Amino acid sequence: QKEVEQDPGPLSVPEGAIVSLNCTYSNSAFQYFMWYRQYSRKGPELLMYTYSSGNKEDGRFTAQVDKSSKYISLFIRDSQPSDSATYLCAMEGEGAQKLVFGQGTRLTINP
Amino acid sequence: GAGVSQTPSNKVTEKGKYVELRCDPISGHTALYWYRQSLGQGPEFLIYFQGTGAADDSGLPNDRFFAVRPEGSVSTLKIQRTERGDSAVYLCASSSGVGETQYFGPGTRLLVL
Repeated sequence: QKEVEQDPGPLSVPEGAIVSLNCTYSNSAFQYFMWYRQYSRKGPELLMYTYSSGNKEDGRFTAQVDKSSKYISLFIRDSQPSDSATYLCAMEGEGAQKLVFGQGTRLTINP
Repeated sequence: GAGVSQTPSNKVTEKGKYVELRCDPISGHTALYWYRQSLGQGPEFLIYFQGTGAADDSGLPNDRFFAVRPEGSVSTLKIQRTERGDSAVYLCASSSGVGETQYFGPGTRLLVL
């Protein structure tokens, strides 16, 4: 079993829809949680970073962490075609200095 | 300022050959990371440098893989006796220090025929 599980999709939704992306993890040592966006043939870019249970909002994006359930989510409101990309969850233990990624979910927003 | 750059962007080689992949981190970033991303998968950690020294090389798959960062800036990932299974995108990232955001380069796409 992988330390981080993420549904690879693909996920296809109409423009303006609310998108929910999720990851589960098994390692309780993970303390820091990130969402990266990766466009085709590009490197991952950081979208959201959080280290505590609860919600963190940034514009149309909301990251949610539930450490008791070992479950994290990313919500995208008012989705746009430019949001079409692969979304990767990533986690890091205290002092570990290496990110453990999920498989990535390929998302397409249809105009 | 410039982001993380990686060269070459694409590399095609034959099984058994030696390859070097280069990473130029963001200026001033002391930490540098290498990851490998296979098709349809998330990146997997290979090695992490703090300054010139490899602080964690636990992700290197075997002794054919080696990385250096002699002056604490540019890093080179070296793969000996390449195998077809080494085909992947090799990503480099850098950060300004411990626990700081990792910024990724565009990757080098390695194809071993």
